[in-house]
Amino acid sequence: LAKTTQPISMDSYEGQEVNITCSHNNIATNDYITWYQQFPSQGPRFIIQGYKTKVTNEVASLFIPADRKSSTLSLPRVSLSDTAVYYCLVGPNSGYSTLTFGKGTMLLVSP
Amino acid sequence: EPEVTQTPSHQVTQMGQEVILHCVPISNHLYFYWYRQILGQKVEFLVSFYNNEISEKSEIFDDQFSVERPDGSNFTLKIRSTKLEDSAMYFCASSEGGGYGYTFGSGTRLTVV
Repeated sequence: LAKTTQPISMDSYEGQEVNITCSHNNIATNDYITWYQQFPSQGPRFIIQGYKTKVTNEVASLFIPADRKSSTLSLPRVSLSDTAVYYCLVGPNSGYSTLTFGKGTMLLVSP
Repeated sequence: EPEVTQTPSHQVTQMGQEVILHCVPISNHLYFYWYRQILGQKVEFLVSFYNNEISEKSEIFDDQFSVERPDGSNFTLKIRSTKLEDSAMYFCASSEGGGYGYTFGSGTRLTVV
């Protein structure tokens, strides 16, 4: 499994755009990049998944450069409720693949 | 939005006792999982289940652990003889397969005393 590296923590203010970058230098050809969000005492929640270029949904955007060695999760106009841990996961695109979570990025949004 | 439901939300048990954690996955999902998270640590994979059998398990999932899908809706995790180090949040998850993300439940906080 490709190892991922992401910042331990980030701080932001309400209304700002937040970009969390994840490095995955050893990503394999058939690996996808998936981001999950976790609030305290809750299970992780799927945010977005992509393979290359850009993916956007109602919650976030995911930017993946051509070499796919990194990816950036972009959260537009964060609110206090976006305070959570964000995990970047890399692995095969199948719903039955085991998920390997790292420590994630703790995003703190302040007023 | 469909949910994965876990009960109980909190379970306190004495060391050496058996516990069963309950999960109701999303009805049309085919793959089921248990993960756990010890306080302050990473989310760790325990076991995956498909077509009424275990498809993969981690080193954590030793002989003290078992899973069962007793009917068409429930998915249970049994710990036969709990240890203090089994204290953790246990998350059930399910997925359709084919690249769609997992849906996790809200978890059961297991406290072994």
